[in-house]
Amino acid sequence: GEDVEQSLFLSVREGDSSVINCTYTDSSSTYLYWYKQEPGAGLQLLTYIFSNMDMKQDQRLTVLLNKKDKHLSLRIADTQTGDSAIYFCAESKGSGGYQKVTFGTGTKLQVIP
Amino acid sequence: EPEVTQTPSHQVTQMGQEVILRCVPISNHLYFYWYRQILGQKVEFLVSFYNNEISEKSEIFDDQFSVERPDGSNFTLKIRSTKLEDSAMYFCASSEGPGLSSGNTIYFGEGSWLTVV
Repeated sequence: GEDVEQSLFLSVREGDSSVINCTYTDSSSTYLYWYKQEPGAGLQLLTYIFSNMDMKQDQRLTVLLNKKDKHLSLRIADTQTGDSAIYFCAESKGSGGYQKVTFGTGTKLQVIP
Repeated sequence: EPEVTQTPSHQVTQMGQEVILRCVPISNHLYFYWYRQILGQKVEFLVSFYNNEISEKSEIFDDQFSVERPDGSNFTLKIRSTKLEDSAMYFCASSEGPGLSSGNTIYFGEGSWLTVV
């Protein structure tokens, strides 16, 4: 079955880069997502990448996908205190439009001022 | 930017009571989903819905749960007789349609916190 694994915690200093890593098991994934969840809040879609891409950059965010190793990473450049949150890696697969998303456990990012 | 909206944002209910959580998916989306997140745990898939019927449901989605699209805009999750373990954040989501394109990504709502006491 599908499984998505992440490390539970990452601590970085403000201004440094953060790299959050994720591994997944399902090679038939179509989309891979990064969501941000602040305390008590909902899921904010940060970025996504199609499974046929290997990199996507969006302002301070860079997503790298190594499909061979089933490894996804999210790099946040110039990390700010407002980036402190839980970051969920997720994969989805489906056909005909229907997508079923499997989430990782989430990585809690702590940004130290 | 279009968004999925959910109501209520927070509901407290007594065990055994019925609860209906409401969602307004993005207007041109055709596929609808409910997920839940028990406090401190993973976000879990509950059910997907397309063309007025359930496409897939997880083992969590037992006979106490039902979904409905009562009109052209709302998508609801009903829990018939709530249990303490139903306490969770419930996320509604929607996606547009087929194909590997930006239109087929899943967008989640802000969630509805359900507390069963």
